[in-house]
Amino acid sequence: DTAVSQTPKYLVTQMGNDKSIKCEQNLGHDTMYWYKQDSKKFLKIMFSYNNKELIINETVPNRFSPKSPDKAHLNLHINSLELGDSAVYFCASSHRQGVGEKLFFGSGTQLSVL
Amino acid sequence: QKEVEQNSGPLSVPEGAIASLNCTYSDRGSQSFFWYRQYSGKSPELIMSIYSNGDKEDGRFTAQLNKASQYVSLLIRDSQPSDSATYLCAVNEAGTASKLTFGTGTRLQVTL
Repeated sequence: DTAVSQTPKYLVTQMGNDKSIKCEQNLGHDTMYWYKQDSKKFLKIMFSYNNKELIINETVPNRFSPKSPDKAHLNLHINSLELGDSAVYFCASSHRQGVGEKLFFGSGTQLSVL
Repeated sequence: QKEVEQNSGPLSVPEGAIASLNCTYSDRGSQSFFWYRQYSGKSPELIMSIYSNGDKEDGRFTAQLNKASQYVSLLIRDSQPSDSATYLCAVNEAGTASKLTFGTGTRLQVTL
């Protein structure tokens, strides 16, 4: 039983396309996140949702739109993909929102924009 | 811009030695500090957390925190080849619940 699962694992697409990444957690956590890890391994938060409510929205192009239909799911839709969007995208969850909360990461989605 | 700095490495240590990984951070208000381990091609996993000055030990791992110097470190005793990975330091931003700033990680290689 995978705690935080995201699909697809690999995504190869052309510039200008629109794509989505899905994430689900079965841990009963209240808070979910999207992180982006670039080629230099720098891991940076993009969004965070707590009980379906957006609580963190970093300086991310508005081509990126998260959506949380319920607290167990957080999807990421990307419009008009650009070369610079190529990275590994990690979904994560934590028990609740708060300082010191342990993050549980999904296995990542490697996005390659050609 | 809050920053978390780590030496990218690779840090090479022989099997059985102590590996020392260091991290400095810029946000004086940070309260929570974490070490995540990331194997190549895998996702990060939490191995240590520390919240107050001093040392915290868990098995072969010891985290050390010095808030005055804005410095956190991770010691791995009796290093094993299976410890070879990238170690990410993460620090919460003061006043922002759940927001962690990660360093770029230190790649550790444990040699036989």
